[in-house]
Amino acid sequence: GENVEQHPSTLSVQEGDSAVIKCTYSDSASNYFPWYKQELGKRPQLIIDIRSNVGEKKDQRIAVTLNKTAKHFSLHITETQPEDSAVYFCAASKENQGGKLIFGQGTELSVKP
Amino acid sequence: NAGVTQTPKFRVLKTGQSMTLLCAQDMNHEYMYWYRQDPGMGLRLIHYSVGEGTTAKGEVPDGYNVSRLKKQNFLLGLESAAPSQTSVYFCASGRVGNQPQHFGDGTRLSIL
Repeated sequence: GENVEQHPSTLSVQEGDSAVIKCTYSDSASNYFPWYKQELGKRPQLIIDIRSNVGEKKDQRIAVTLNKTAKHFSLHITETQPEDSAVYFCAASKENQGGKLIFGQGTELSVKP
Repeated sequence: NAGVTQTPKFRVLKTGQSMTLLCAQDMNHEYMYWYRQDPGMGLRLIHYSVGEGTTAKGEVPDGYNVSRLKKQNFLLGLESAAPSQTSVYFCASGRVGNQPQHFGDGTRLSIL
């Protein structure tokens, strides 16, 4: 079955710097890749997603890139702020599989003022 | 519009006890999911449903059962709780497959 690996497990940056989180997936049929942000004690919340027919997607300070050949996708956060501190999860799913998401292990991002 | 609501929020059980977690969504979503979240392991899918009256197994279904008698509700049951089932349980719903999933606030379950 699908396997999603996420790196790094922890990431510490200074406010204003950029942060990059990378994920690799094993099933080449996967075609939907969401990213979730989870603050301590809260629910996971979708921040951005990308489908396999698109190579890059941006939403203000957040962007996601997808390399289907290498089977990896990355989350880029620019101009980081303390409120970006949270755990970020990548996930993958494919068509006709009930929308089952396979999640990475998570990255704990800490943005220091 | 409450979105996805989970009850209860916290529960402590003794080994061997049974209980049911309730998930309710008011977004008219077809698909619903139960995940468990353990430290360092991300979220893992337990069971899911693609419509009223349907259920299917996810990655870690053993020890759990589910039912979807009404479109808006998805129940997760533990027949005989074990300490290994201590976790935070999240319910999610989606309009259809490969669409954004909306999560509830979670149920923190401890089994002694």
